[in-house]
Amino acid sequence: SQQGEEDPQALSIQEGENATMNCSYKTSINNLQWYRQNSGRGLVHLILIRSNEREKHSGRLRVTLDTSKKSSSLLITASRAADTASYFCATTFSNSGYALNFGKGTSLLVTP
Amino acid sequence: GAGVSQSPRYKVAKRGQDVALRCDPISGHVSLFWYQQALGQGPEFLTYFQNEAQLDKSGLPSDRFFAERPEGSVSTLKIQRTQQEDSAVYLCASSRLGVDTQYFGPGTRLTVL
Repeated sequence: SQQGEEDPQALSIQEGENATMNCSYKTSINNLQWYRQNSGRGLVHLILIRSNEREKHSGRLRVTLDTSKKSSSLLITASRAADTASYFCATTFSNSGYALNFGKGTSLLVTP
Repeated sequence: GAGVSQSPRYKVAKRGQDVALRCDPISGHVSLFWYQQALGQGPEFLTYFQNEAQLDKSGLPSDRFFAERPEGSVSTLKIQRTQQEDSAVYLCASSRLGVDTQYFGPGTRLTVL
């Protein structure tokens, strides 16, 4: 079963705008990761944030983690058409090894 | 170096047939994972290997699913007597160690008619 849930399910924006996606989960985690998936490049790892971190940056990506609310957000700044893809959060739980538990994903469409 | 590769990329099987899906992980990666992704859903964990040892197979949906990694590198996921509900994309991922970032292959899209 899907342990994480992304919100919104779908998002449509114009190039240059920022995109924010949220993820909620249910149990204690070791870390939370964001992945991007499109038909051209498969599932690509974007960023990992550990349970003791609150914010992380990578290029145009900014991820926050609030363990008290069991939620994370992914911000993509100055979006480009090439950012069009599905975005998934994935967690590893504290008591269940290394398996990634994915949400259903947010489908992002960036139009020129 | 080369990433994770999977073959075949597409497989069509008639209901009841057996299929075998192959994964070549990144060279030197100790950990290997299999996931199943249904249309419109996120990937779901199937099984995990550390070298040749299958340490977690809790996600395998039935005893028709079997995975092996006999020499600690290439892995094969076998599905016996395929059913229509087995239609999905099967993703393989590898990591240097279990705790590290998992790198995914392109997947095998299985369609059972």
